[in-house]
Amino acid sequence: AQTVTQSQPEMSVQEAETVTLSCTYDTSESDYYLFWYKQPPSRQMILVIRQEAYKQQNATENRFSVNFQKAAKSFSLKISDSQLGDAAMYFCAYRSGGMDSSYKLIFGSGTRLLVRP
Amino acid sequence: SQTIHQWPATLVQPVGSPLSLECTVEGTSNPNLYWYRQAAGRGLQLLFYSVGIGQISSEVPQNLSASRPQDRQFILSSKKLLLSDSGFYLCAWSMGQAYYGYTFGSGTRLTVV
Repeated sequence: AQTVTQSQPEMSVQEAETVTLSCTYDTSESDYYLFWYKQPPSRQMILVIRQEAYKQQNATENRFSVNFQKAAKSFSLKISDSQLGDAAMYFCAYRSGGMDSSYKLIFGSGTRLLVRP
Repeated sequence: SQTIHQWPATLVQPVGSPLSLECTVEGTSNPNLYWYRQAAGRGLQLLFYSVGIGQISSEVPQNLSASRPQDRQFILSSKKLLLSDSGFYLCAWSMGQAYYGYTFGSGTRLTVV
């Protein structure tokens, strides 16, 4: 079974600085998708960024980018120019791209990001 | 555009009482539907998912059940709540392809007293 591990329960960053959140996963599949979700204090889950495993190019969305290392099974999230509104729980998630019609997302335990003004 | 509605937002229920949480999706057809629970300060645990009307798969055996009486309606139920059922419950939907992530509802905070 696939697993997702986020080893940093909490991270802190100074406003305007850059922070990297770590995520590793375990799978024997070659076709899959990886996601980062943000959960602010409102607890509304928001999709931040998505990466297709077959793409070597790292995904970017404005100030958010990933470092996808397929061989190492690592999928870190980099937030540049951190803003107060980035303070939230961040969840890494895995989804099989195979024939499993459920398309379940498997989540890591989350990293709480604090942004210091 | 697609929207997902989940209610109620907050619920306080006594131990042993029944539970019904509802989730509906608009603007799409035949979505995959999911129920997750999040304990305080913890990650998300998948409880149930459904790939079609009447098709329910359970991930964790427990005091809860789910039903999908209509294409875009997903209900989480319990006959008798336990203290351990307290938590934050999230409904989500997805297109039936791996590329798409989930769109989540706004969640229900359940406190069993």
